[in-house]
Amino acid sequence: DIQMTQSPSSLSASVGDRVTITCRASQGIRNDLGWYQQKPGKAPKRLIYAASSLQSGVPSRFSGSGSGTEFTLTISSLQPEDFAIYYCLQHNSYPWTFGQGTKVEIK
Amino acid sequence: VQLVESGGGVVQPGRSLRLSCAASEFSFSIYDMHWVRQAPGKGLEWVTTISYDGSDKYYVDSVKGRFTISRDNSKNTLYLQMNSLRAEDTAVYYCARDAYSTSDWGQGTLVTVSS
Repeated sequence: DIQMTQSPSSLSASVGDRVTITCRASQGIRNDLGWYQQKPGKAPKRLIYAASSLQSGVPSRFSGSGSGTEFTLTISSLQPEDFAIYYCLQHNSYPWTFGQGTKVEIK
Repeated sequence: VQLVESGGGVVQPGRSLRLSCAASEFSFSIYDMHWVRQAPGKGLEWVTTISYDGSDKYYVDSVKGRFTISRDNSKNTLYLQMNSLRAEDTAVYYCARDAYSTSDWGQGTLVTVSS
């Protein structure tokens, strides 16, 4: 099984900050990775697909990069509505696996 | 696009439960479909996937032999039959369409396994 190691597990940031979250795969997954945002009591929402493609309707302050084993999600200027938990998901091979999540909190 | 799960509830360990996910406003029969769960206060866990025509199915090891995914394309409905339920299966279960450029999730249904 492919393990996804996500870091950090949590971070505190201020509105306007640049935030970067990383996911590392235990083996190469090409660009078969998505990034999801989840707010309390809500279903996850995909922000990025194919590692770097922005989902329709998602603000351009979100971006993804990487290929192979190292991936990043960047929020260029954190907004109040961005405080949430973020997950990566690899769908290169079954079983699909999520990262452990990163909780983005208000500083 | 709408995905509406139902069938959750409280069930005793060892018993069974069947979840349903009614899909609308898209061509259900051409998409692979998935179940993902989230235990209380925990992260997301992929559970199972079924191919668009039902010919291929994949499961996380922890549910193999106990859970069965199926679909009825004539009814635009996805199912998850859960047998021999355990306390550790307690979670919100989401159905999802997670294709290349499209991603839609239901609101989830809570399954609580407790005596």
